[in-house]
Amino acid sequence: GAGVSQSPRYKVAKRGQDVALRCDPISGHVSLFWYQQALGQGPEFLTYFQNEAQLDKSGLPSDRFFAERPEGSVSTLKIQRTQQEDSAVYLCASSRAIAGGYEQYFGPGTRLTVT
Amino acid sequence: AQSVSQHNHHVILSEAASLELGCNYSYGGTVNLFWYVQYPGQHLQLLLKYFSGDPLVKGIKGFEAEFIKSKFSFNLRKPSVQWSDTAEYFCAVGSNFGNEKLTFGTGTRLTIIP
Repeated sequence: GAGVSQSPRYKVAKRGQDVALRCDPISGHVSLFWYQQALGQGPEFLTYFQNEAQLDKSGLPSDRFFAERPEGSVSTLKIQRTQQEDSAVYLCASSRAIAGGYEQYFGPGTRLTVT
Repeated sequence: AQSVSQHNHHVILSEAASLELGCNYSYGGTVNLFWYVQYPGQHLQLLLKYFSGDPLVKGIKGFEAEFIKSKFSFNLRKPSVQWSDTAEYFCAVGSNFGNEKLTFGTGTRLTIIP
């Protein structure tokens, strides 16, 4: 079946611009996650949804970052007034529960470059 | 707070060599452990996972990992690597209840020389 999809795959923004990144999770997956991956680093947690409820946003680096999942399916990560330090790959993952735990499936990511 | 350490940043091996990539974690509770792989140009894929039970877990493509609770380790192994194993490998830890967010290590780049 279809995996997690993200759009756009690449985004170049001028410093100060707002950007919106979209994630389409695997159908039926209740949980959705956003991660940020800087060059040469592992993914770092940003925020977590269960259906439409945002249960954890402790990883969002500033109040310029905002995520939503209004109908419990598609999610959007918005970054306002982008800064150069926001340049990274933004990964989305959706999760399904299995016996004893869970599995997260990742999308291809959106590479954001702020100039 | 959770943390994950991957000691090897870049490993270079010849085909047919044996592989062991280190992973140590810090977490004050019962954990779920994962190894993910990212092949060049592809997205992160789950290689294997440990939730409970037998501490030796087997994953796809001949990989296995051993959970040693006393050492807070979850090292990845493969007896004989292939050129196609060239990739970036990430160890990750998550809580085994409630919030499922993962904490990743910085990754190990594996290069296999034919």
